[in-house]
Amino acid sequence: KAGVTQTPRYLIKTRGQQVTLSCSPISGHRSVSWYQQTPGQGLQFLFEYFSETQRNKGNFPGRFSGRQFSNSRSEMNVSTLELGDSALYLCASSLVPGAQNIQYFGAGTRLSVL
Amino acid sequence: AQTVTQSQPEMSVQEAETVTLSCTYDTSESDYYLFWYKQPPSRQMILVIRQEAYKQQNATENRFSVNFQKAAKSFSLKISDSQLGDAAMYFCAYRSAVSGTASKLTFGTGTRLQVML
Repeated sequence: KAGVTQTPRYLIKTRGQQVTLSCSPISGHRSVSWYQQTPGQGLQFLFEYFSETQRNKGNFPGRFSGRQFSNSRSEMNVSTLELGDSALYLCASSLVPGAQNIQYFGAGTRLSVL
Repeated sequence: AQTVTQSQPEMSVQEAETVTLSCTYDTSESDYYLFWYKQPPSRQMILVIRQEAYKQQNATENRFSVNFQKAAKSFSLKISDSQLGDAAMYFCAYRSAVSGTASKLTFGTGTRLQVML
């Protein structure tokens, strides 16, 4: 069974641009969560989607948004990029929401903002 | 809000020896899950072990075991017979079992483990 797939693996953008990252969950998984990993702030929760609805959102500005499609694939978008948005963005999927359901992570997308 | 603290930024262990990574957490909840994730240079977070707070028995997975002290809010990871492939960043994480917030993992700052020949 294929794992969580994130594309692209690497991205380089300039300040002010916008970017879209993609996440394909494990087959059969319907819940997708996103995390940002930086050296300064560590791993921080961005948001979670289930059944095409955002269920939970972390403490990030409105420039960070996401969506989920009917096939459970998810995208996150960052508009008006800032230097501080440079990070590893990790996606995790689970069967359904709920603490008892293990989240499996992808290898991440490394975003560099110049 | 829950917090997770890993006080050891770096640890090293000799191959075949045993090492213990520390983690403490703060929460007012009684029902939650605790995790240890491993992040090798490939960047993919891999689940090492999971502990349910209402289970008193410490979880074990092959060479990995935890010492869960609920009253002390402590959750350490013991790696036995360390192997070169164990070298990675290890993150301790908390997940509430309260409905509505259960999606979020709260991570510690990580411990980098080096395995020496």
